[in-house]
Amino acid sequence: AQKITQTQPGMFVQEKEAVTLDCTYDTSDQSYGLFWYKQPSSGEMIFLIYQGSYDEQNATEGRYSLNFQKARKSANLVISASQLGDSAMYFCAMSPVGFGNEKLTFGTGTRLTIIP
Amino acid sequence: GAVVSQHPSRVICKSGTSVKIECRSLDFQATTMFWYRQFPKQSLMLMATSNEGSKATYEQGVEKDKFLINHASLTLSTLTVTSAHPEDSSFYICSASRDRGTDTQYFGPGTRLTVL
Repeated sequence: AQKITQTQPGMFVQEKEAVTLDCTYDTSDQSYGLFWYKQPSSGEMIFLIYQGSYDEQNATEGRYSLNFQKARKSANLVISASQLGDSAMYFCAMSPVGFGNEKLTFGTGTRLTIIP
Repeated sequence: GAVVSQHPSRVICKSGTSVKIECRSLDFQATTMFWYRQFPKQSLMLMATSNEGSKATYEQGVEKDKFLINHASLTLSTLTVTSAHPEDSSFYICSASRDRGTDTQYFGPGTRLTVL
């Protein structure tokens, strides 16, 4: 079974500062995928970034980067130069092998609030 | 991009009635679709995995006779909540996969169901 833990229920960050959202995971699978999604108040789930367990380099997508530390089983999301529009719920998720057609296990989420 | 729509976005119904929610992939074919449920301020919980042309695979604890899932085509999956009760009130979100390796799932905007 796979498990995702997000220990920060809420965070407040000043606009333009960088923010790190924590995510740790537990799995016995050798191959897996890690995902981060953003959920604004409207409810839609917006894909942010993906990291495969065998990827040697940390994934980056614009202002988003994933700090992947395999030995520590952590996959923290880093948002650089935060903006007011970044205020939302953020979910870390994983899938068994890392393919898109697999079911996702989600963490409990972190509510990020950006302060002007 | 890959767009997934859901209809309706909101539905209010009386206890005992059935409600159908549609999930469509608008610009791609989705052999696999997923249905999630999200209670207020909680994470997404997978209800079932739907593959085109075959029976859905339900997660443990999800009543398959209550939550009927049909995936009749490569672009449409439906979730029918039968004999709805107030405890079925929730946010239902579908996602679809293009089955392209590590490509992510694409989520619909969600349907908020309120059962009176």
